[in-house]
Amino acid sequence: DAGITQSPRHKVTETGTPVTLRCHQTENHRYMYWYRQDPGHGLRLIHYSYGVKDTDKGEVSDGYSVSRSKTEDFLLTLESATSSQTSVYFCAISESIGYTFGSGTRLTVV
Amino acid sequence: GENVEQHPSTLSVQEGDSAVIKCTYSDSASNYFPWYKQELGKGPQLIIDIRSNVGEKKDQRIAVTLNKTAKHFSLHITETQPEDSAVYFCAASYGSGNTGKLIFGQGTTLQVKP
Repeated sequence: DAGITQSPRHKVTETGTPVTLRCHQTENHRYMYWYRQDPGHGLRLIHYSYGVKDTDKGEVSDGYSVSRSKTEDFLLTLESATSSQTSVYFCAISESIGYTFGSGTRLTVV
Repeated sequence: GENVEQHPSTLSVQEGDSAVIKCTYSDSASNYFPWYKQELGKGPQLIIDIRSNVGEKKDQRIAVTLNKTAKHFSLHITETQPEDSAVYFCAASYGSGNTGKLIFGQGTTLQVKP
């Protein structure tokens, strides 16, 4: 996915540990989003950003925090990972309408 | 709250047949309706979208129709090919202002049999 990269691609972590996922874009888009994808639920919005240091909660934000100190980077942090946060996490970017998604991070909490 | 319902959850067709996926939305303020295709191990990719001031849009074998009164929109794929096999998601814009937030349907797994 040109212009947007997520890291890591895969991660296994233990319950109670902090985890940070990174989304990096080279498109200089204003909006960035974090979604999680789970079977039967489609994609659900966790947090989004509409500019540097401007962030807001989505529909499933409990247990997650985000930061955007630079236009190109949007970090998602699980302060204390739980098994219910095992999921595939997608970052998306947008300038006005229409998203470009990253390739995703598969997170397993054991 | 806002909601998008998508049906069917799985769809199997023979190569060359048509496939139709339907979605309904709850927020009457929604004005943008994109469709995404997700292949295994990849992120969703935008394949077609439609705005609320348009009733139908076509792009080669893919078309989307929108009925604002009934709050539903559909994806039509004609002359399906094996490479059309993927998970398809509909989405609708929601929320005030120009935040670009989308709410997604649950997804449809399309299988095109050769």
